[in-house]
Amino acid sequence: RKEVEQDPGPFNVPEGATVAFNCTYSNSASQSFFWYRQDCRKEPKLLMSVYSSGNEDGRFTAQLNRASQYISLLIRDSKLSDSATYLCVVISRSGSARQLTFGSGTQLTVLP
Amino acid sequence: NAGVMQNPRHLVRRRGQEARLRCSPMKGHSHVYWYRQLPEEGLKFMVYLQKENIIDESGMPKERFSAEFPKEGPSILRIQQVVRGDSAAYFCASSRTGGFVTNEKLFFGSGTQLSVL
Repeated sequence: RKEVEQDPGPFNVPEGATVAFNCTYSNSASQSFFWYRQDCRKEPKLLMSVYSSGNEDGRFTAQLNRASQYISLLIRDSKLSDSATYLCVVISRSGSARQLTFGSGTQLTVLP
Repeated sequence: NAGVMQNPRHLVRRRGQEARLRCSPMKGHSHVYWYRQLPEEGLKFMVYLQKENIIDESGMPKERFSAEFPKEGPSILRIQQVVRGDSAAYFCASSRTGGFVTNEKLFFGSGTQLSVL
C-alpha cells in the first residue's frame, strides 16, 4: 500500500460546481498535512495547511479525519483557474527529522 | 527576498554523461529537499540535506546519484552516467527549519527538466 494515496482523476466539472478530493495516508503517526497545487508541470505551490478542526480559505475547505486517516479538500464555486493538479502532502517523523510524502495528485479540469 | 532558485531550467545530456543540478534555497533557509517527478507521475522524495549533512537519502538510488549541500554555495544533485530513465523534472524545495515543526512550509524552485538523449 502506498504511504499516501489519491484518486488520480481526472475530475472534469463545470464552472460553479463543487468538487471534493480525498487523500488517505497509511502512517497513523503522521503529524502535519497540506494541500499543494501544481500547474502544468510547474513547481508545486502551497494551497493550504490542514488542521484537525478543519479550516477554510475562501472557496476552499480542508478537513482532517485522523480516525480514518484521510484528508479532504472541498472547492466550492469552481473557477476555470482552479484547473490544476492537487497534491496532498503528509508529514511524519523519520528518526529525528521529518519526512514529507506527496500523493500522486488529483487532476482537476474546470470546464466553461 | 528571492525564492528557491534552480538552474539550469532545462538540461540535455547524452547517455553516459554527467548531470549537475543546482539549487539555492530561500534566504534564511538551511534545509533542502530534492524531489523527482517522472512524466505523468507524482513527486517522489529523493534526499533531504542540511548544510554539510545528508539527513535522509532513503529515496535516492544507491548508484550514480549523489547530493551535497556545502557550507557555502548551492545544493548540488549529481547524476553520473545518465540513462534515458533519468529523464524527469527535478524539483528542489527549502524550509527554514527541518526539525519536527508542525506546519513548517516547503517552498519549491521552478525545477530542472532533464532530458537524456
